[in-house]
Amino acid sequence: NAGVTQTPKFQVLKTGQSMTLQCAQDMNHEYMSWYRQDPGMGLRLIHYSVGAGITDQGEVPNGYNVSRSTTEDFPLRLLSAAPSQTSVYFCASSGLSPHEQYFGPGTRLTVT
Amino acid sequence: SQQGEEDPQALSIQEGENATMNCSYKTSINNLQWYRQNSGRGLVHLILIRSNEREKHSGRLRVTLDTSKKSSSLLITASRAADTASYFCATSEGSARQLTFGSGTQLTVLP
Repeated sequence: NAGVTQTPKFQVLKTGQSMTLQCAQDMNHEYMSWYRQDPGMGLRLIHYSVGAGITDQGEVPNGYNVSRSTTEDFPLRLLSAAPSQTSVYFCASSGLSPHEQYFGPGTRLTVT
Repeated sequence: SQQGEEDPQALSIQEGENATMNCSYKTSINNLQWYRQNSGRGLVHLILIRSNEREKHSGRLRVTLDTSKKSSSLLITASRAADTASYFCATSEGSARQLTFGSGTQLTVLP
């Protein structure tokens, strides 16, 4: 199993550009989530999904969209990138029980 | 907002010593988890302790949970240079699987 994969690893965007961060898992996990990590801080939840077709907002959802058309994939879309969205983005998934989460390697995004 | 806050923010010890990190949180929880993050990598789950448990062990790791004080501690015994990483606590409430992370403790183990 590849676990949780994320692409790209690095991305530089100009202010106002849009892009999609890809996340996929091959563990048949129902639950998937997106976090951002800023320097010296823990992870903050952006959006999450408890199954295909179901998504909900986390702590910091503004400026981001998600969809969950399949169990495996959970892309994160930045609608109009802003410098405040410069961060490292992590995707995670978990099964029914226990609730431990499996994390991808992260995408480092810089918005200039 | 950060549910969990780790203490200390940074810890530097010699190889072979024990490392203790503390986590405090604000609300009632279903479980508390500890994760490790090596520099530039994703987080790796270490251990989960449920709200009705007081202590849990996994290899060189020992986690305690005091729900009356809303606090947890992670003890790493006989530390190794490979334990150098950031350690985060994370909590979940009720039946929700959403995790709220603390700001982390940066552990450096000197050879």
